Amino acid sequence: AQSVTQLDSHVSVSEGTPVLLRCNYSSSYSPSLFWYVQHPNKGLQLLLKYTSAATLVKGINGFEAEFKKSETSFHLTKPSAHMSDAAEYFCVVSYGSGNTGKLIFGQGTTLQVKP
Amino acid sequence: GAVVSQHPSRVICKSGTSVKIECRSLDFQATTMFWYRQFPKKSLMLMATSNEGSKATYEQGVEKDKFLINHASLTLSTLTVTSAHPEDSSFYICSARPYLAANTEAFFGQGTRLTVV
Repeated sequence: AQSVTQLDSHVSVSEGTPVLLRCNYSSSYSPSLFWYVQHPNKGLQLLLKYTSAATLVKGINGFEAEFKKSETSFHLTKPSAHMSDAAEYFCVVSYGSGNTGKLIFGQGTTLQVKP
Repeated sequence: GAVVSQHPSRVICKSGTSVKIECRSLDFQATTMFWYRQFPKKSLMLMATSNEGSKATYEQGVEKDKFLINHASLTLSTLTVTSAHPEDSSFYICSARPYLAANTEAFFGQGTRLTVV
């Protein structure tokens, strides 16, 4: 069965320090992988996506993620956290045929950024 | 980028009444849309897959008679919560992906905060 695991439910960093949000997936074939961010009472915004092209993916707001097949991981990083990065982050895997495939969400990681 | 509009953003209704939530893809067509429910400080739970011109596919444990889904056109899907009860209070989010594009991300509506009193 396909699944996504976000290893940390809560991450706290100081402003200006690096951010690492961890995500592991299980799959019997190569999935498409996404990271979304959600601010309180809002919808989800795409940060970046991996669709079997380059394994290092750059996204918006300075975020990037690296797809490592051998480790079945897709961790999200940012060199320097900003206060506005505080939000809920979801690692998402897409399975199935084309754009009708289901999205499987990780449990979410709350990022807290301290001044 | 593509836009998915969800309406209303917030609704309060009385127990026993029904509430309809609309999800529209504004600048693309979608044969499939997805409806999620999100509990406080929790992840998104897929409720059902809405299929244009045919019946929706519900996830295990989701009551299809309570959560009615209609996907009448390539740009509109509706979720109706029938005979709502306080336990139906939640944040509901829809999403869609352009069906003519390959490997695109899903675009999400702004969500609907439903409160049943």
